[in-house]
Amino acid sequence: GQQLNQSPQSMFIQEGEDVSMNCTSSSIFNTWLWYKQEPGEGPVLLIALYKAGELTSNGRLTAQFGITRKDSFLNISASIPSDVGIYFCAGQKSGSARQLTFGSGTQLTVLP
Amino acid sequence: DAGITQSPRHKVTETGTPVTLRCHQTENHRYMYWYRQDPGHGLRLIHYSYGVKDTDKGEVSDGYSVSRSKTEDFLLTLESATSSQTSVYFCAISENFGTGVSKLFFGSGTQLSVL
Repeated sequence: GQQLNQSPQSMFIQEGEDVSMNCTSSSIFNTWLWYKQEPGEGPVLLIALYKAGELTSNGRLTAQFGITRKDSFLNISASIPSDVGIYFCAGQKSGSARQLTFGSGTQLTVLP
Repeated sequence: DAGITQSPRHKVTETGTPVTLRCHQTENHRYMYWYRQDPGHGLRLIHYSYGVKDTDKGEVSDGYSVSRSKTEDFLLTLESATSSQTSVYFCAISENFGTGVSKLFFGSGTQLSVL
């Protein structure tokens, strides 16, 4: 299947710091999605991106759809303890769920 | 939160035994999915359904079957469980399919251990 390279795999940051993570692929995607998963729960959708170059914010989270359509970035500003979790990117080639590919996740730990 | 209930939440079983996981939704969404989550692999699609009695295979369907006799229920069956099927299984639902973004809403997962 298609591969999404998500980095970094894990991050340890101090509370208040900004965070950046990204996903890259050799394939072009029409949509990028970012999910957050907390322990013992399923992933929750944070941001959806529909157009190349699009920049979308959700509170302290900002995500961008890369201009080449092969990558996406997620930034978290002024991190807080409740930001802890695993962040997944997902790329979708078409409207089909069979074309939705998930990255392997970035484990974020926020230190007080 | 989307009304998705997975049962059981945890299960331990032995190799070779059949196992059925249940997903129940109260959202009346047409589309339902089963994913498995393993370290280093993210989420991988096992099977999905686009309506009652309409199902199709995903990326990792070998060893799994599904059934959907009612809109609200989607069952995942391991006919003869193997240790490689030890994983966390997530059910997901979505309203859109084919005409837009598959904004998936996930259940809380089932931790399955095959000994």
